[in-house]
Amino acid sequence: EADIYQTPRYLVIGTGKKITLECSQTMGHDKMYWYQQDPGMELHLIHYSYGVNSTEKGDLSSESTVSRIRTEHFPLTLESARPSHTSQYLCASSEFNPFGTSNTGELFFGEGSRLTVL
Amino acid sequence: AQTVTQSQPEMSVQEAETVTLSCTYDTSESDYYLFWYKQPPSRQMILVIRQEAYKQQNATENRFSVNFQKAAKSFSLKISDSQLGDAAMYFCAYRSPYYGGSQGNLIFGKGTKLSVKP
Repeated sequence: EADIYQTPRYLVIGTGKKITLECSQTMGHDKMYWYQQDPGMELHLIHYSYGVNSTEKGDLSSESTVSRIRTEHFPLTLESARPSHTSQYLCASSEFNPFGTSNTGELFFGEGSRLTVL
Repeated sequence: AQTVTQSQPEMSVQEAETVTLSCTYDTSESDYYLFWYKQPPSRQMILVIRQEAYKQQNATENRFSVNFQKAAKSFSLKISDSQLGDAAMYFCAYRSPYYGGSQGNLIFGKGTKLSVKP
């Protein structure tokens, strides 16, 4: 079983509000990711992290920001939500071993946070 | 840059029958990893099966098997004895063996929506 948790699962808020989507994993994985996905559509990588104090932008530009102060925690923040931010946000984690290829780097996903901005 | 193509946006199969989902990829690397992920409606994305490119033998997990054709850069997923619970979005993904920069990130196809008819 994947031990990666996202809260809230569903969130409906008004325009201009600040929101934080939480993601935690208990697998000790160094690498974590945030994907944005509209229902039934493809995944877009928006942020990833190699470990504490590391954050990188993904392939899709996003107005959200992330932080990585603890290995197990990778929150995503929107300072001022807009209707265009309405989407599902998926958090994932994987092992990271730069010195070998003993692992396949498969991702473990959370259940997702579905955000609706009115 | 590597790309992953799933040419079937939607597929349908009768319960208990077999269905094959297609995936092709483009890469100049000789070693890499391939994955099939399953995303049921409103549920967590999970790994179905993985294949390491250096292994010639096709991976199998219960009713799920792959047909890995390295020269053709093809990685199809076969689901035997389809069940109602197999209805989901299926994503094919590629990962480079390298870890630097964004190279270690998975590259996903756009997905295939599989419906299972009772």
